[in-house]
Amino acid sequence: EAGVTQSPTHLIKTRGQQATLRCSPISGHTSVYWYQQALGLGLQFLLWYDEGEERNRGNFPPRFSGRQFPNYSSELNVNALELEDSALYLCASSPGTTLTDTQYFGPGTRLTVL
Amino acid sequence: RKEVEQDPGPFNVPEGATVAFNCTYSNSASQSFFWYRQDCRKEPKLLMSVYSSGNEDGRFTAQLNRASQYISLLIRDSKLSDSATYLCVVNQAGTALIFGKGTTLSVSS
Repeated sequence: EAGVTQSPTHLIKTRGQQATLRCSPISGHTSVYWYQQALGLGLQFLLWYDEGEERNRGNFPPRFSGRQFPNYSSELNVNALELEDSALYLCASSPGTTLTDTQYFGPGTRLTVL
Repeated sequence: RKEVEQDPGPFNVPEGATVAFNCTYSNSASQSFFWYRQDCRKEPKLLMSVYSSGNEDGRFTAQLNRASQYISLLIRDSKLSDSATYLCVVNQAGTALIFGKGTTLSVSS
């Protein structure tokens, strides 16, 4: 069974540009979560989607947004990129909305903002 | 107080040693608890869930003390392959997983 996949693996942008990151969950999983892992910081929760709806978002500005498609894949968009947005962005999926469900992580997209 | 706090280490131990990691969480409404393992520049992977009764998986034992809001992970007979960062993770209803910054373990021969 294929795991969570993310693309691209690496992304290099300049300040002010927009970045789009993509995630495909494990087949059968309806919930997708996005996390940011910046150097020296722990994983920070960004967004949670389930059944196409945004269920919750972390303490990030509105320029971080996303969506979930009917096939449960998801996109994270970061507008007006800032240097401190450089980080590893991890996507995770789980079978449902019960938060005791185990979350399975993808390999991440490493975003570098110059 | 941070939501989930861990001693960052690093813990440097020889093969065969027993090592224990601790974690505290601030929100008493937290409902479920996990230890994840993250290798350098890789994604986190679930190591084990943590239950009030304590649970064991081979060389790994996890304990939860709800009264003290404290979670522990014990690794016995450490192997070189155990070298990684161990993340304490707490789940609160209606939100998402809250991660500690991780404790780094380095096992040497």
